[in-house]
Amino acid sequence: QVQLVQSGAEVKKPGASVKVPCKASGYTFISHYVHWVRQAPGQGLEWMGIINPSGGSTSYAQKFQGRVTMTRDTSTSTVYMELSSLRSEDTAVYYCARGGRATGGFDYWGQGTLVTVSS
Amino acid sequence: DIQMTQSPSSLSASVGDRVTITCRASQGISNYLAWYQQKPGKVPKLLIYAASTLQSGVPSRFSGSGSGTDFTLTIGSLQPEDVATYYCQKYNNAPYTFGQGTKLEIK
Repeated sequence: QVQLVQSGAEVKKPGASVKVPCKASGYTFISHYVHWVRQAPGQGLEWMGIINPSGGSTSYAQKFQGRVTMTRDTSTSTVYMELSSLRSEDTAVYYCARGGRATGGFDYWGQGTLVTVSS
Repeated sequence: DIQMTQSPSSLSASVGDRVTITCRASQGISNYLAWYQQKPGKVPKLLIYAASTLQSGVPSRFSGSGSGTDFTLTIGSLQPEDVATYYCQKYNNAPYTFGQGTKLEIK
């Protein structure tokens, strides 16, 4: 079965970076784009960017340009989202999600990783 | 960038009611529209894609319609387990913007 498994919660200080892994299984890793979405406490869903696991190409939301980097490791079927220069407003649950091919939208989601930014 | 606006932001309805949520795109997106359900403390779940196609396993009381700029999600007969926040999302191209969400409660 398709699974996207993320790492556990992180606590970071302002100015630091966080790198969140998302390990895919149950499907051909390079056949589906992977997206990152975040959700601040009590807030809605915010799309951050997309990575093509096949070639590694990326596209980021303008809001995160210069601060976010998405990469992949095809040997372990894992995509990574690194966010730098963290501030308190970055406190959120970060999700990876698989882009559907035959379907549209995001058909499978990771369980989410809570990143707390606090001094 | 195209903006996605949902209405209402919240609503309260009774079990068995027909419920409609609207999503408007600031520019045409053809039918590249998905709906998600997020129950409290849970991961979002894809309900509908291509504006009107039900994702596998989703109850048939959920339906979607629309094309271009105006879309609707309808729950034919509201059930207690439908308490959640619902989001629309465009996916024709980046950025894959979500609507702000509609919180649905039982009256």
